[in-house]
Amino acid sequence: AQRVTQPEKLLSVFKGAPVELKCNYSYSGSPELFWYVQYSRQRLQLLLRHISRESIKGFTADLNKGETSFHLKKPFAQEEDSAMYYCALTGGSARQLTFGSGTQLTVLP
Amino acid sequence: DAGVIQSPRHEVTEMGQEVTLRCKPISGHDYLFWYRQTMMRGLELLIYFNNNVPIDDSGMPEDRFSAKMPNASFSTLKIQPSEPRDSAVYFCASRPHGQGKSYGYTFGSGTRLTVV
Repeated sequence: AQRVTQPEKLLSVFKGAPVELKCNYSYSGSPELFWYVQYSRQRLQLLLRHISRESIKGFTADLNKGETSFHLKKPFAQEEDSAMYYCALTGGSARQLTFGSGTQLTVLP
Repeated sequence: DAGVIQSPRHEVTEMGQEVTLRCKPISGHDYLFWYRQTMMRGLELLIYFNNNVPIDDSGMPEDRFSAKMPNASFSTLKIQPSEPRDSAVYFCASRPHGQGKSYGYTFGSGTRLTVV
């Protein structure tokens, strides 16, 4: 069974501070990992895919297969980063995204 | 492309009434998913279709929930009868088949359902 765990429901940081949103996963094969972001009352948007190894809006995420983690990081948080962040995975023939429970990030001025 | 289109954006209904949520996926996408979002449980997959055929409905909470996809451009999620605990935001998403740069899900704006 595939499972995604985001241990923090709420996270607050000050503007300019580093931020790390934790994500751990459980999957027997080789999953694809994603981060989705949802700004207030808007649709979910894809932020990052692990296979593209890119940086979007200053965010990066590295897949650590040894620790089965895919933490999202940004060195200097901005107020506009305040949103709900979901870690998700998909793998095998299942085709569906399995989401973590989400972390609400608030960046304080 | 206008993206995944859901209607209505908001629905308020009385307990016991039938509710129908609608979704138009992106043209050419082979997969369509229905998710439910609540504060307590986050995002839960209810059901998904591949080429209009329901593949996995194990996430549908009860027999009161049903979903159909009569053609490639339209899907419905119906709740009959509705209950207050069904209040949530329901998202529809679609994705194309296979890998590549276009791989990935596109979500609709969601339908915020309130059952009073």
